[in-house]
Amino acid sequence: AQTVTQSQPEMSVQEAETVTLSCTYDTSESNYYLFWYKQPPSRQMILVIRQEAYKQQNATENRFSVNFQKAAKSFSLKISDSQLGDTAMYFCASFSQGGSEKLVFGKGTKLTVNP
Amino acid sequence: DTAVSQTPKYLVTQMGNDKSIKCEQNLGHDTMYWYKQDSKKFLKIMFSYNNKELIINETVPNRFSPKSPDKAHLNLHINSLELGDSAVYFCASSPGLAGANEQFFGPGTRLTVL
Repeated sequence: AQTVTQSQPEMSVQEAETVTLSCTYDTSESNYYLFWYKQPPSRQMILVIRQEAYKQQNATENRFSVNFQKAAKSFSLKISDSQLGDTAMYFCASFSQGGSEKLVFGKGTKLTVNP
Repeated sequence: DTAVSQTPKYLVTQMGNDKSIKCEQNLGHDTMYWYKQDSKKFLKIMFSYNNKELIINETVPNRFSPKSPDKAHLNLHINSLELGDSAVYFCASSPGLAGANEQFFGPGTRLTVL
């Protein structure tokens, strides 16, 4: 079975500082994809960053980067220079190609950026 | 230029009623999905359709019936609503079934069953 675990229900960070959100996953498939989605108070789900499992290089998108540790099945999200607009629920998700072929989400981490 | 739209955004109804939520995407995508987000924010897939064909049907009660009249629309009909159906329902779409594809989400429909 495909599982995604986010062990931090809530986190907070000061504006302009760096924060890292943790995520571990489990899948029996060799071909899979990992995602971080953001859900601000507006409720809209927004893709933050995506990582293909076959790529060794960690994905980056502006202030957002991941630390993908394949052997440890870990996929953490680092947010640099945190902004008030980063306040949101963050969901880690995985998609196993050839397996269940569905997006499986973790339970989310509520991030608050304080001024 | 709404990419994935849902109507209504809010729905309040009595137990036992039947209701529908509509979803439309103007991205030209082949694949559409319904997700349920419960009160603890847990998001779980319910159904997926590819080119109007049902691909994924999670263990969802028979009271939930998706209908895809064409590739751009995926509606969700719920019969005999129960208190436990209260949740936010998200529609999403993607270019295809491949995992590399980003799923684009609608704004969600908050369903409250009284």
